[in-house]
Amino acid sequence: DVKVTQSSRYLVKRTGEKVFLECVQDMDHENMFWYRQDPGLGLRLIYFSYDVKMKEKGDIPEGYSVSREKKERFSLILESASTNQTSMYLCASSSRANYGYTFGSGTRLTVV
Amino acid sequence: AQKVTQAQTEISVVEKEDVTLDCVYETRDTTYYLFWYKQPPSGELVFLIRRNSFDEQNEISGRYSWNFQKSTSSFNFTITASQVVDSAVYFCALPNYGGSQGNLIFGKGTKLSVKP
Repeated sequence: DVKVTQSSRYLVKRTGEKVFLECVQDMDHENMFWYRQDPGLGLRLIYFSYDVKMKEKGDIPEGYSVSREKKERFSLILESASTNQTSMYLCASSSRANYGYTFGSGTRLTVV
Repeated sequence: AQKVTQAQTEISVVEKEDVTLDCVYETRDTTYYLFWYKQPPSGELVFLIRRNSFDEQNEISGRYSWNFQKSTSSFNFTITASQVVDSAVYFCALPNYGGSQGNLIFGKGTKLSVKP
């Protein structure tokens, strides 16, 4: 069964901590994406990557960075977590030919 | 610019009612895909359908059907004889071809509650 796996379902971190959210896909997809989802705001694109070591900013990249050292893994990094980064984080992947996403189950991050 | 509008924020129906979720889009592209995703309370978004703009035929899959009207830039989703398990947030989406590799632009979603 093909899938996108996010390392944690729930995470609680303290303000100022460096936070790593990991995402792994087993479909050999070229593209990978990080979104955050907040009530009333829908899904907002943080960063995406269309190839190993390549990255592009989405709509709300401030306060985040990403890493893609291997094709199957795309990491989202919160350099210094703040309470306004409390959110649901969704990872997705897609092939260039298809555009349709496969999503992970999400990580609900709470920053206290 | 690419845009997806889901005007209905929340809909509540009683089981067995039919319900239609609206999706209106804006695109500068002449050919494009459209998508619907379902997000149940568990949180994971699940792919429902991909429609190519070449094909304006309605599509039916069990109790689900989709009405694509290119003339009005709409791609509406109907659930017939709704069930409690249909309770979820539903998202309509369109690729952002202007971006480097086609990230999806999502509407804000419609929360459907089906009551027994």
